Amino acid sequence: QQKVQQSPESLIVPEGAMTSLNCTFSDSASQYFAWYRQHSGKAPKALMSIFSNGEKEEGRFTIHLNKASLHFSLHIRDSQPSDSALYLCAVSIGTNAYKVIFGKGTHLHVLP
Amino acid sequence: DAAVTQKPRYLIKMKGQEAEMKCIPEKGHTAVFWYQQKQSKELKFLIYFQNQQPLDQIDMVKERFSAVCPSSSLCSLGIRTCEAEDSALYLCSSSPTGGRDTGQLYFGEGSKLTVL
Repeated sequence: QQKVQQSPESLIVPEGAMTSLNCTFSDSASQYFAWYRQHSGKAPKALMSIFSNGEKEEGRFTIHLNKASLHFSLHIRDSQPSDSALYLCAVSIGTNAYKVIFGKGTHLHVLP
Repeated sequence: DAAVTQKPRYLIKMKGQEAEMKCIPEKGHTAVFWYQQKQSKELKFLIYFQNQQPLDQIDMVKERFSAVCPSSSLCSLGIRTCEAEDSALYLCSSSPTGGRDTGQLYFGEGSKLTVL
């Protein structure tokens, strides 16, 4: 059974800090990867996605993928209090039909 | 932003009662996913539809739930006999890429079920 593990479970950082969130997956055939953010009481919303090894940067957010080590990460530069939320990593599994499963999430708190 | 509509936003059921939640996917999206979220934690995969056909679902859904997408503009998730453990936020999401691009899932606000 495919598994997606996230670490840490929760994280508290000061405003302006660099935040790093991690996700590991068990299925080496997984092809597509993404990070979602869910503010309290709101719907999850996609932040970034990636499908090839390497890095992708959008504004303060960088996603890094290493398929060989079954690992991808999200880095937030200059963290802001508004970044405080639940961060969920997502992995797409399948060949012709893609099922998307999520990790358990990391609760991020950015202190002003 | 894509708009996925879920109704009702809140429902309260007694143990043993039936519950039904509806989802209107974003127009043109071919895939619909249902997830269960308890206490603002992980999204637990329940069932996945592609072009209105169920392609994958967990055992719990097969045994106690009923899920259909009778049209491309309406899907529903039902619980035949509610149990306390079913209390959760049920999130529906739709995707134009059938899950191929993991970052293309658009979520509704969810239906929060409380079972007393």
